[in-house]
Amino acid sequence: DTEVTQTPKHLVMGMTNKKSLKCEQHMGHRAMYWYKQKAKKPPELMFVYSYEKLSINESVPSRFSPECPNSSLLNLHLHALQPEDSALYLCASSQVGGRDSGEQFFGPGTRLTVL
Amino acid sequence: TQLLEQSPQFLSIQEGENLTVYCNSSSVFSSLQWYRQEPGEGPVLLVTVVTGGEVKKLKRLTFQFGDARKDSSLHITAAQPGDTGLYLCAGVYGGATNKLIFGTGTLLAVQP
Repeated sequence: DTEVTQTPKHLVMGMTNKKSLKCEQHMGHRAMYWYKQKAKKPPELMFVYSYEKLSINESVPSRFSPECPNSSLLNLHLHALQPEDSALYLCASSQVGGRDSGEQFFGPGTRLTVL
Repeated sequence: TQLLEQSPQFLSIQEGENLTVYCNSSSVFSSLQWYRQEPGEGPVLLVTVVTGGEVKKLKRLTFQFGDARKDSSLHITAAQPGDTGLYLCAGVYGGATNKLIFGTGTLLAVQP
């Protein structure tokens, strides 16, 4: 199984809502990532989990809260978002460390719209 | 700070033409990847290059890693409409942090 799944595919939320994005992989990868991507731009790294522990937080606002319940699952909890947070949110997984960490498998993304 | 610059930024060509996309940096990368992303989907890994001077072929796509491991190129021969997408180079910087640095991206449109 070389697939990373993400749910939901589309999400529309108001600025006062609380929602969660979910990501799952069964490739045995111990590194998982959240990226934010605006149209026609490269993905921007948000968070990296390595062995279920948060290893990188790219100064992301606290209205985004990541969680890694186990080695296969990654969540992104959203609260009090702003319209400028509307984007495609991508989850990815890879082996840990070195050259292998560059070979990332991406999910199809969640298209988030904040009203 | 963007460490990987791609050129051109946009490219619109006719089916059957050849093209080259460049990925340049002032930093050395332990490995460099090329991804292609289609609209509404996540990036898909095309190739990894790790050795300076390395050349890899994937059907009509040829990838080259510079001798100093600071730059790379992607050449597509006889482009087809199915090649349309956002091409991204990316490198592992420092080798130990799981942090992938993406290039600025090249948006390719191949007209039938």
